[in-house]
Amino acid sequence: NAGVMQNPRHLVRRRGQEARLRCSPMKGHSHVYWYRQLPEEGLKFMVYLQKENIIDESGMPKERFSAEFPKEGPSILRIQQVVRGDSAAYFCASSHDSYGYTFGSGTRLTVV
Amino acid sequence: AQSVSQHNHHVILSEAASLELGCNYSYGGTVNLFWYVQYPGQHLQLLLKYFSGDPLVKGIKGFEAEFIKSKFSFNLRKPSVHWSDAAEYFCAVGPASGGSYIPTFGRGTSLIVHP
Repeated sequence: NAGVMQNPRHLVRRRGQEARLRCSPMKGHSHVYWYRQLPEEGLKFMVYLQKENIIDESGMPKERFSAEFPKEGPSILRIQQVVRGDSAAYFCASSHDSYGYTFGSGTRLTVV
Repeated sequence: AQSVSQHNHHVILSEAASLELGCNYSYGGTVNLFWYVQYPGQHLQLLLKYFSGDPLVKGIKGFEAEFIKSKFSFNLRKPSVHWSDAAEYFCAVGPASGGSYIPTFGRGTSLIVHP
């Protein structure tokens, strides 16, 4: 079991470009969660998805951010027209139910 | 809505000192409780978790936590810290039922261990 796989580990984007972050959940896990971690802050919930459905996106910024979890393939967190303030570590977690969340290694996004 | 409060943002200890990190939560229903550790530059790793049963939970690396329902607390303890325990520690709360299992994290406590 390969665990939760996130790629890329590091991503550098210029202001105005698009960032795509991928997350492959653990085998058998149907729940995916995206969190953002800013320096000196905790993990802030962004979005919760199940296959082909966004269940809760209450933590997502209203503009430029979107997420999907298609029937086939990884979950994608997309940030359009990135700005310096988007620089952060983005973590994905997956679960089968409420009894445990496994986190990926994260993607560290740097906007220059 | 659930919330998690970690009382100390930074804790500084000498090696071999005892550790206790506070965590309080608010939520109206049944919860599952977790402690995660994040070493510098790495992802979150599960230290221990509580679902039901014995409120004193043993985790990895000598850590334990006690769930006190009346105080809505789930404090993390270790009798004797090692320099390798220096890390960020996160308490998390997740609903035990209801179909939406979104865990909420505390702000984190940064542990610094002096030799």
